[in-house]
Amino acid sequence: AQSVTQLDSQVPVFEEAPVELRCNYSSSVSVYLFWYVQYPNQGLQLLLKYLSGSTLVESINGFEAEFNKSQTSFHLRKPSVHISDTAEYFCAVSDPLSSGSARQLTFGSGTQLTVLP
Amino acid sequence: GAGVSQSPSNKVTEKGKDVELRCDPISGHTALYWYRQRLGQGLEFLIYFQGNSAPDKSGLPSDRFSAERTGESVSTLTIQRTQQEDSAVYLCASSLGRGSSYEQYFGPGTRLTVT
Repeated sequence: AQSVTQLDSQVPVFEEAPVELRCNYSSSVSVYLFWYVQYPNQGLQLLLKYLSGSTLVESINGFEAEFNKSQTSFHLRKPSVHISDTAEYFCAVSDPLSSGSARQLTFGSGTQLTVLP
Repeated sequence: GAGVSQSPSNKVTEKGKDVELRCDPISGHTALYWYRQRLGQGLEFLIYFQGNSAPDKSGLPSDRFSAERTGESVSTLTIQRTQQEDSAVYLCASSLGRGSSYEQYFGPGTRLTVT
């Protein structure tokens, strides 16, 4: 079974500082990787995803994540954060080789990013 | 709205009572998932529906949990004889299913509190 580890449960950072949220997964096969964000009192939203191709993927609001197969990681980064980035971030993985029902997402436990003024 | 909707948004129930949670997926989405999010934890997969195929119930934690879906529309998650450990946010997601980019669109969740 797959598992996802988010090493940091809480990450406080000052506004305009860079941030990295770490994600490692356990899988010996190919994977699809996702970052979801949950703003306060809102549902989960897809932030970015890696399916294939370029290992560096970007979101429209300045976040990026790099798929590193050798380290089984998919860390999320942003060079300069804003107050509005305060949210909980979830890393998730699915197995593209599985048939239908197994394409569930396996989530990490989440990282609360708090941007301080 | 075009998103996934869930009702109720909050539910407080007494231990031992049954509860029913509802999910309305995005129109045209053939796949529907239920997840549970306990406080301070990630999402746990519960059950998956794909079109008219038999659902994948492998994530249901006990036989007190069941879910139904009518065709490719509304789904209900039922928890019988609720226990305090059932307290969590229950999230529903839908996707285009086979051949899609596997993006799942999530509803706002139902916060269940068992007293």
